[in-house]
Amino acid sequence: QLQLHESGPGLVKPSETLSLTCTVSGGSISSSTYYWGWIRQPPGKGLEWIGTIYHSGSTYYNPSLKSRVTISVDTSKNQFSLKLSSVTAADTAVYYCARVLYSTIGHYYYGMDVWGQGTTVTVSS
Amino acid sequence: SYELTQPPSVSVSPGQTASITCSGDKLGDKYACWYQQKPGQSPVLVIYEDKKRPSGIPERFSGSNSGNTATLTISGTQAMDEADYYCQAWDRNTVVFGGGTKLTVL
Repeated sequence: QLQLHESGPGLVKPSETLSLTCTVSGGSISSSTYYWGWIRQPPGKGLEWIGTIYHSGSTYYNPSLKSRVTISVDTSKNQFSLKLSSVTAADTAVYYCARVLYSTIGHYYYGMDVWGQGTTVTVSS
Repeated sequence: SYELTQPPSVSVSPGQTASITCSGDKLGDKYACWYQQKPGQSPVLVIYEDKKRPSGIPERFSGSNSGNTATLTISGTQAMDEADYYCQAWDRNTVVFGGGTKLTVL
């Protein structure tokens, strides 16, 4: 059974870079039928998509975060990572990684079916 | 940028049918999916491709999508269905979430 696990510092100082890793277990990150995504949820608020990556390294980012976000993949470790630079208190949130379902026949995405448990990141000095 | 709009809250009596809407420009031309999130838990996919249920999701959950509106319907709502529900769609390669709807079962 596929599982995702987020890891990284729970506290980041303002203006620094937030770095998180999602480890995929029970399956391969290199499958052609999946993308991999990062989503966050500020306290008491809704879900916000950060970005998505394919095992080839192709990435798509939320336009509102694009200038500060880098998502990368390490297929040898079955991991993908998030870096968010110049963080402020507004970046305080629970950060989730998720598996994105992709149809290679119709070339469309159709859901995020496996989520990590989430990791809380607080931006504070 | 593409936007999805949901009502902030919906209330339903146990055993009745709950409907949660999600509106977006020509949303019917895209695939919509729905997530359930209970307090302190990760979201769970309950509907994908407008109306399909992942394995393990009860049959009382159903979905539709036409025109500018996607709808999540919960038939015979149970107390355990009380949660936040988010619709989501893709606009080309970008992910868009609705603002979420708090379903109260009372």
